[in-house]
Amino acid sequence: KAGVTQTPRYLIKTRGQQVTLSCSPISGHRSVSWYQQTPGQGLQFLFEYFSETQRNKGNFPGRFSGRQFSNSRSEMNVSTLELGDSALYLCASSLVGRTSSSQETQYFGPGTRLLVL
Amino acid sequence: AQSVAQPEDQVNVAEGNPLTVKCTYSVSGNPYLFWYVQYPNRGLQFLLKYITGDNLVKGSYGFEAEFNKSQTSFHLKKPSALVSDSALYFCAVRAYVRSTLTFGKGTMLLVSP
Repeated sequence: KAGVTQTPRYLIKTRGQQVTLSCSPISGHRSVSWYQQTPGQGLQFLFEYFSETQRNKGNFPGRFSGRQFSNSRSEMNVSTLELGDSALYLCASSLVGRTSSSQETQYFGPGTRLLVL
Repeated sequence: AQSVAQPEDQVNVAEGNPLTVKCTYSVSGNPYLFWYVQYPNRGLQFLLKYITGDNLVKGSYGFEAEFNKSQTSFHLKKPSALVSDSALYFCAVRAYVRSTLTFGKGTMLLVSP
């Protein structure tokens, strides 16, 4: 099976702009989670979607939003970009089968590196 | 609340020697524990996980981890390190259903030839 794919891989934006990142999960996976990775803060959870519904949300401002489509593909949007939004944005998918979803492994994509100037 | 601590920012080991990357956790209830590895400019790759059962879990690339409930630890180990093991390693914990996956800060492993 193909792994998790993320587009674009690299992005340069200026302050005040908005950006949309895309994630295609592994075929059959229904849960998609998004993380922000920075050298100072490490990996921080943004949100999780399952069956087109946001199931969990991290402690990020409302400028960060996401959605999931019926084919499980997900997008995240950041509006009014700030310099501090420069980071590697990682998407992860998991199956969410009959076992507890907490036991399931999340598989990560290569990430989108966003640079805000 | 759940949390993970990786007390070492960096671990240095010579090739061929055993390696240990430390991880301790705090969670209510039974923990589900994971190790991931990240190579430069790449996403995270899953190494292994502990759900239940044997305290020693074997994973990819010869890595294993030992779950110790009394010490709330889940240290990553490998009997013989390779230069290619040099990377950033993350420990993560998840507890009850629908809780999020919480990561440690990461430990950089440097294996010298």
